[in-house]
Amino acid sequence: SQQGEEDPQALSIQEGENATMNCSYKTSINNLQWYRQNSGRGLVHLILIRSNEREKHSGRLRVTLDTSKKSSSLLITASRAADTASYFCATDTTGNQFYFGTGTSLTVIP
Amino acid sequence: KAGVTQTPRYLIKTRGQQVTLSCSPISGHRSVSWYQQTPGQGLQFLFEYFSETQRNKGNFPGRFSGRQFSNSRSEMNVSTLELGDSALYLCASRSGQVGELFFGEGSRLTVL
Repeated sequence: SQQGEEDPQALSIQEGENATMNCSYKTSINNLQWYRQNSGRGLVHLILIRSNEREKHSGRLRVTLDTSKKSSSLLITASRAADTASYFCATDTTGNQFYFGTGTSLTVIP
Repeated sequence: KAGVTQTPRYLIKTRGQQVTLSCSPISGHRSVSWYQQTPGQGLQFLFEYFSETQRNKGNFPGRFSGRQFSNSRSEMNVSTLELGDSALYLCASRSGQVGELFFGEGSRLTVL
């Protein structure tokens, strides 16, 4: 069974707006990672947050992690049309296994 | 540095046939993992190899198998193909036991 579940499944926003995606997971993790996938392509790593970290920034990306609630959020600020893609959270568990969520499909309208 | 290379990119098979997919990881990466991606199920973990040993295996039937060679290249094989095996098969590598995954572009399998 999948470890991560993203919410919402689909999100449509105007260019310049912020996009927030949430991820919930089930078991203990070493770290949580976010990936992006353009249609039919491979996944690209965006950011990694360790289990002892609460927040991390990378450019226009901000990730938070709440291990007590087993949840994470990804915020993309000042979105661009090129940000249109699917976004996945992945949990790296203590068993050296990755679990991916079902993804959030983001559409940024120019 | 070359990225993860998967071959073939596209293939069409018929039910009952078998297929072998290949993955060349980034140079120096010893861990290779495989995922099946379908619209309904998202990314499902198949297996992971590290230094030629299968370290983890997902919940897939025995028709799905894999191996890793001494140069870290990996292959996965699906025997007796079923219509439901139609999917994008993604390979990912990483240098050690932790850290980010680097994905290939995938092999799109269509089973008719």
